[in-house]
Amino acid sequence: EAGVVQSPRYKIIEKKQPVAFWCNPISGHNTLYWYLQNLGQGPELLIRYENEEAVDDSQLPKDRFSAERLKGVDSTLKIQPAELGDSAVYLCASSQTSGRPVNEQFFGPGTRLTVL
Amino acid sequence: AQTVTQSQPEMSVQEAETVTLSCTYDTSENNYYLFWYKQPPSRQMILVIRQEAYKQQNATENRFSVNFQKAAKSFSLKISDSQLGDTAMYFCAFMGGTDSWGKLQFGAGTQVVVTP
Repeated sequence: EAGVVQSPRYKIIEKKQPVAFWCNPISGHNTLYWYLQNLGQGPELLIRYENEEAVDDSQLPKDRFSAERLKGVDSTLKIQPAELGDSAVYLCASSQTSGRPVNEQFFGPGTRLTVL
Repeated sequence: AQTVTQSQPEMSVQEAETVTLSCTYDTSENNYYLFWYKQPPSRQMILVIRQEAYKQQNATENRFSVNFQKAAKSFSLKISDSQLGDTAMYFCAFMGGTDSWGKLQFGAGTQVVVTP
């Protein structure tokens, strides 16, 4: 069975440009997560979806970041405009549900963003 | 708010030897889960082991075991018979709290280097 798929794996852009990341979760997983991982740090949750509903977006910088999960499957995370400080790895994860009992979160390989 | 602290930035161990990674956390919750994730250079986070706070018995998964001390809020990982493939960043993570189920909170990570 395929794992969590993310694209692109790497992206280099100039500041003020827009950028988008795509994630396809494991089939049948209702919950999808986007995490931000800065260099030398652990991931931090940006947004969590239950099906197509964003149930926790408290850590998403809404002035420049947006996300969507149409039809409750694939998801796209967008940054517009990008800033130098956005250089990081963006991880996508999925799980069957986010309630209890706790289900394992499966992670994709991430997208490494470099903003010049 | 919960915090997760990993005080060892890097640990080196020889093949076949044992290494122990430390993790402490701060929470006022009584029901929670603790995890250890491995992140190799490929960046894909892989779940190593998990512990449910209400279980007193320490979790084990093959060569990986934990020492869970709930009163001390300590959750260390022991890797026995270390192998070259164990070289990776290891992250301790917490999940718990009424409003935070599904949200993993990670420590800063410990780089483990296994040498021949």
